Amino acid sequence: AQSVTQLGSHVSVSEGALVLLRCNYSSSVPPYLFWYVQYPNQGLQLLLKYTTGATLVKGINGFEAEFKKSETSFHLTKPSAHMSDAAEYFCAVSKSSGTYKYIFGTGTRLKVLA
Amino acid sequence: KAGVTQTPRYLIKTRGQQVTLSCSPISGHRSVSWYQQTPGQGLQFLFEYFSETQRNKGNFPGRFSGRQFSNSRSEMNVSTLELGDSALYLCASSPYDRDTEAFFGQGTRLTVV
Repeated sequence: AQSVTQLGSHVSVSEGALVLLRCNYSSSVPPYLFWYVQYPNQGLQLLLKYTTGATLVKGINGFEAEFKKSETSFHLTKPSAHMSDAAEYFCAVSKSSGTYKYIFGTGTRLKVLA
Repeated sequence: KAGVTQTPRYLIKTRGQQVTLSCSPISGHRSVSWYQQTPGQGLQFLFEYFSETQRNKGNFPGRFSGRQFSNSRSEMNVSTLELGDSALYLCASSPYDRDTEAFFGQGTRLTVV
C-alpha cells in the first residue's frame, strides 16, 4: 500500500532563509508525486509534480523538489523564504497517471519569521 | 478559464440531516474526485468519477455517496449526518490526460451541530 510521511508538522524559518520540507513515500510501483500548498480557507494549489523524466522538478514561486528513488524521498526546497510562503504544504502520491486517487501526507505548516 | 467551483462554500446542518454538495469542474475536464479534510484525519480520498462512472472509492461508510452527470458536474451526498462529518470537503477536477494533476476547488465547509 502507498503511504506518505511528512517529517515535521510545523516548520519555522526566517525570511530569506532556506526552506526545506521533507516528504518520504512508500510505493510498490514507480509513483507520481506532488506538492500542494494550502492557504487559510482555500483549496489546494499545485506547486510542482514529478511524473516521469527529470528528477529535479521546478515549480511555481521559486520552489523545487528532487525525486530520489534510492531514498524514497521528494523533499521540497526554496532558497530564500518570503513572508508570503507561510501556508500549509502537502505532499501527495498516486500510483500512476489516469487516477486522481491521491494519498496525502499529514501536512507541514510553514511559518516565516520577519 | 474558470476554476473548479464548489457550492455552497459554507453549510451548517443538524445531526441526522442529509446534505448535498455540488462541484462544477473546469471546462473540458472529465474526471472529478472528492476529498474530506479534517484536523484529525487530514486529507482523505472519498471518490473518483470519470464519464459518470465511479472509478475509485475511499474507505468511508455507505452514508457517503456521489454521482457525476453527463456534463461532468458532480455531487456528493452525506445522509444521517454525524458530528464527525464536520469537515472541509474538497472537489478536484482533471482532464484525464497522461501526467496531469488534479485541480482543486476552494471547498465546502460543512459544520454539523
